[in-house]
Amino acid sequence: NAGVTQTPKFRILKIGQSMTLQCTQDMNHNYMYWYRQDPGMGLKLIYYSVGAGITDKGEVPNGYNVSRSTTEDFPLRLELAAPSQTSVYFCASSYPSSSGGSYEQYFGPGTRLTVT
Amino acid sequence: RKEVEQDPGPFNVPEGATVAFNCTYSNSASQSFFWYRQDCRKEPKLLMSVYSSGNEDGRFTAQLNRASQYISLLIRDSKLSDSATYLCVPGTQGAQKLVFGQGTRLTINP
Repeated sequence: NAGVTQTPKFRILKIGQSMTLQCTQDMNHNYMYWYRQDPGMGLKLIYYSVGAGITDKGEVPNGYNVSRSTTEDFPLRLELAAPSQTSVYFCASSYPSSSGGSYEQYFGPGTRLTVT
Repeated sequence: RKEVEQDPGPFNVPEGATVAFNCTYSNSASQSFFWYRQDCRKEPKLLMSVYSSGNEDGRFTAQLNRASQYISLLIRDSKLSDSATYLCVPGTQGAQKLVFGQGTRLTINP
């Protein structure tokens, strides 16, 4: 049981390039999330999904896109990388409570992205 | 008022000491609470879940005060390895997202 895995661990992009950050979980969790964390700051929610085919914006979605075609995978796409997207990106997953709320979330190890 | 407020610290305490910090939350509908620890440049890891008035796990105790809307984390006999940032996270019934606090930075000194 690997939990939540993310690839790549590190990436340097040039301005205007695009890339996909991969996230996979093997816990059969319905809910998945993408966060970014800038140095010394808290987590900011980018996008989340409550099941395959369903995605919704979080606090800071501009410049990103997501898809959820399977329960296991939730990739995050950066189309035109900008220096402001330099950050650490964490993927997380959770199962829903009986009320539909989120139980505790489990995080992947993160992707450190630098855009220059 | 912010949904979650934590004293950012840093708290610097000697090894072996007992340290406690609070987290206040604004949504009275919050029913579950999670404490995470985050080491520098690492992912947050779940430390403890609280679904009733509190929880205890070894040296760690979480206590919930619903009337005053705060939850505390107490660490006894602190170890050097306890140095980390501690994130308070209230969960609200039916809410699909969690709101993470900024965290409290703790450094245990030898």
